[in-house]
Amino acid sequence: GAGVSQSPSNKVTEKGKDVELRCDPISGHTALYWYRQSLGQGLEFLIYFQGNSAPDKSGLPSDRFSAERTGGSVSTLTIQRTQQEDSAVYLCASSLLDSYGYTFGSGTRLTVV
Amino acid sequence: GNSVTQMEGPVTLSEEAFLTINCTYTATGYPSLFWYVQYPGEGLQLLLKATKADDKGSNKGFEATYRKETTSFHLEKGSVQVSDSAVYFCARNTYGGSQGNLIFGKGTKLSVKP
Repeated sequence: GAGVSQSPSNKVTEKGKDVELRCDPISGHTALYWYRQSLGQGLEFLIYFQGNSAPDKSGLPSDRFSAERTGGSVSTLTIQRTQQEDSAVYLCASSLLDSYGYTFGSGTRLTVV
Repeated sequence: GNSVTQMEGPVTLSEEAFLTINCTYTATGYPSLFWYVQYPGEGLQLLLKATKADDKGSNKGFEATYRKETTSFHLEKGSVQVSDSAVYFCARNTYGGSQGNLIFGKGTKLSVKP
């Protein structure tokens, strides 16, 4: 596609429920990143996929968070047993191998009530 | 450690004023440095970058110079416009070159008044 597409754009869920957030990167981009943007906290790195390499999961805040990338394209971020502190905007970005700068999606605003 | 520190906002300026947003980084190597901008209601966009010491990134009248001696990458613009109102994020990558995830500062909100 022309840009990085994320869905849903907004998600309200009850505490304790699982949620799945989807990211469709720009076609041909080998690198894909998930970030979390919270008010007053800036952007927090979550996970990084690069081609067929093992993902860098060093930013995932707990084992309730997981992500996968199927076929080197679409990625899904799953949050299990959501907590109120998970409320944030979840941003996905992609980039070409050996290129500088990411293209970000518009994000998914997650609200846990 | 590896971090990025930028001046806290909000910054409020009048149109045509000079803008500086300070950014410093810590790193064990020589990262690439970036400024991203987030306009109201939009996603983050790359504004400019510099990949080695003394490089100057520039775009849309904004400039930033990679200063290895002071580990800084301050953003400047000589004459801001109302349309520059946005949140500005300084960032560095983790692996050097073009690779790795980005570490972002907390963002500086700029408001430009007519």
